[in-house]
Amino acid sequence: GNSVTQMEGPVTLSEEAFLTINCTYTATGYPSLFWYVQYPGEGLQLLLKATKADDKGSNKGFEATYRKETTSFHLEKGSVQVSDSAVYFCALVNTGNQFYFGTGTSLTVIP
Amino acid sequence: NAGVTQTPKFQVLKTGQSMTLQCAQDMNHEYMSWYRQDPGMGLRLIHYSVGAGITDQGEVPNGYNVSRSTTEDFPLRLLSAAPSQTSVYFCASRPGRGQSGELFFGEGSRLTVL
Repeated sequence: GNSVTQMEGPVTLSEEAFLTINCTYTATGYPSLFWYVQYPGEGLQLLLKATKADDKGSNKGFEATYRKETTSFHLEKGSVQVSDSAVYFCALVNTGNQFYFGTGTSLTVIP
Repeated sequence: NAGVTQTPKFQVLKTGQSMTLQCAQDMNHEYMSWYRQDPGMGLRLIHYSVGAGITDQGEVPNGYNVSRSTTEDFPLRLLSAAPSQTSVYFCASRPGRGQSGELFFGEGSRLTVL
C-alpha cells in the first residue's frame, strides 16, 4: 500500500539554524512527492514537489530531493527564519487521485 | 482568485444535530475531497469525488455524507453530530488527470460538537 512517515515533532530551532525534516514513503510504482506547509489558522499550501526520481523541488529556500533508492524526500533549509514557524506535511500521490499525508511536523523558530 | 472556498469557518453543534459544510471551487477541478485534521493524526480522507455524480469513501467515512451535483460544489453533511466529530475540516481539489497536479486546500472549517 501507500503511506508516508515523517519525523515526530515538535521541532524548535533558533533563527538561522539548519533545518531537516525527515520523510520516508512506501508506495508501489512511481509516486509524486510533495511538501505542504500550514501556517497557524490557515489551510495547507504547496511548498514544493518532485515528480520523478532524483528530481529536486525547491521554493522559498526549502529543498527536497526525491530519492527512490532510500524511498525518502527529506525537507531542508539552510537558514530558518521566525516566519518559517508552521506545520509541515509530507505527502505522496500515486496512480489515481488519492493523496497520502504524513502526520505533520510542527516547527517553531525562536529569535 | 477565490480557489477553494469553505463555509462556515466556525460552527458549534449539539450532539445529534445535523449540518452541512459547504465547499466550492472555481478552478474547474474534477477531483474534490474532504479531510479532517486532528492533533497527532495528520489529515484523514473522509470522502472524495472524481467528477460530478461520482463519489467514494475515504479512510473515515462513517457519519458523513457527500454529493456532487456540479463540478464546482462538494458539500459534506453530518447527519447526527457526535463529539468524536469535533475537528478541523478541509476541502481540497485538484485537476483530475495526472499525478503531478497539486492539491489545493480551503482555509478550513472548525467544528465543535458539544
